[in-house]
Amino acid sequence: QSVLTQPPSASGTPGQRVSISCFGSTSIIRDFPVNWYQQFPGTAPKLLIHSNNQRPPGVPNRFSGSKSGTSASLAISGLQSDDEAVYYCASWDDTTSGPVFGGGTKLTVL
Amino acid sequence: QLQLQESGPGQVNPSETLSLTCAVSGGSSDNYDYYWGWIRQSPGKGLEWIGSLFDSGSTYYNPSLKSRVTLTVGTSKNQLSLRLTSVTAADTAVYYCARQTYFYHSSGIRLPYYFDSWGQGSLVTVSS
Repeated sequence: QSVLTQPPSASGTPGQRVSISCFGSTSIIRDFPVNWYQQFPGTAPKLLIHSNNQRPPGVPNRFSGSKSGTSASLAISGLQSDDEAVYYCASWDDTTSGPVFGGGTKLTVL
Repeated sequence: QLQLQESGPGQVNPSETLSLTCAVSGGSSDNYDYYWGWIRQSPGKGLEWIGSLFDSGSTYYNPSLKSRVTLTVGTSKNQLSLRLTSVTAADTAVYYCARQTYFYHSSGIRLPYYFDSWGQGSLVTVSS
């Protein structure tokens, strides 16, 4: 079980706004930046959001990240069928001195 | 355009050593200013960080794997290697190499941060 907790699944309809949460302890999310990755079946993960809310070049502004205290969120607006993927949050764990990933949230577009 | 390509044996016998390499091409000369990490994903499971290294003096390992893992990088940082000893079926996974930025901890230490480029992954099955 990961020290970063994500809901195992989320869903929405095309055009809708969906949020995926990520909860951690004070030694993780509160004190360190959060990053998000998107993974399609059979492919490598892709960096989606870094430093809590920064989008790498090429990532649509429909994707946004936020952090407050010991929780973080990934929001996807204008949901599209192509957004159907697994989303992972990640941060630094000072207790273990290493990066940690959340368990992943499988997003289904209905 | 940075490219990372993992290569490995595909299958390893239990109790033996798993060795993977990652060829790094493209990018720029500032590849020297990054950490390089390994991540694995067991079938149907989530991502597990294995370890990250900047150079021989700055290496971080997942505590759960630390006793069995060794990461190395070539002097020109165009080849990364992972060695995992005494493997069991639980080590069956897709293994990814990735370039990793860093951030500065409040203590002033440079720590591995987010993975901005990934290889396509190499499936390793531990089975006799």
